[in-house]
Amino acid sequence: QSALTQPASVSGSPGQSITISCTGTSSDVGGYNYVSWYQQHPGKAPKLMIYEVSNRPSGVPDRFSGSKSGNTASLTISGLQAEDEADYYCSSYTSSSTLYVVFGGGTKLTVL
Amino acid sequence: QVQLQESGPGLVKPSQTLSLTCTVSGGSISSGGYYWSWIRQHPGKGLEWIGYIYYSGSTYYNPSLKSRVTISVDTSKNQFSLKLSSVTAADTAVYYCARGRGDTAMVNWGQGTLVTVSS
Repeated sequence: QSALTQPASVSGSPGQSITISCTGTSSDVGGYNYVSWYQQHPGKAPKLMIYEVSNRPSGVPDRFSGSKSGNTASLTISGLQAEDEADYYCSSYTSSSTLYVVFGGGTKLTVL
Repeated sequence: QVQLQESGPGLVKPSQTLSLTCTVSGGSISSGGYYWSWIRQHPGKGLEWIGYIYYSGSTYYNPSLKSRVTISVDTSKNQFSLKLSSVTAADTAVYYCARGRGDTAMVNWGQGTLVTVSS
């Protein structure tokens, strides 16, 4: 059981927008603005897409955006493209259990 | 551009110690400001943070693995290493090394290395 809860899968057609949720607690997502999102293609290492809830590293398209409300963070991808098909993971700083970071279980995005 | 590369045996026998090294290029571990982490991913599963080391040698481990994990750093070689003792089949996973920030964002990742625990 992952510390952060994500839907197992989401799908969308090219050009559409999708949103992936990431639900935690007040000890992690809700308590700190330290939520990150990663994209992972099959057989590849994860790639940082969003940090500190809503910031994009250099080189990440502005089609990717992040937000947070209460204990739930969200990743929105607008103008879906075929290459966006991948697994997406959220993570958060946590103050519980002497952990440093916790991850979500991952969401498989299918571009129809 | 900072790059990380894992190295080590791909096959480890049960009850033995898994040992991996991460070599960092394009940046110095000694420069500080980053938390050098090990993260693993069981086949078809999600990500699990194992622990990190700071350039000073300070370490922080996942409580679920703490009794079996040791992370060390060799700043002269710009490397950091993972040792996981008393391994079982449940430790079979792809192991990644990563450079993380204080906000827990893992900004750079190695390509990952599959370690299989089997006799």
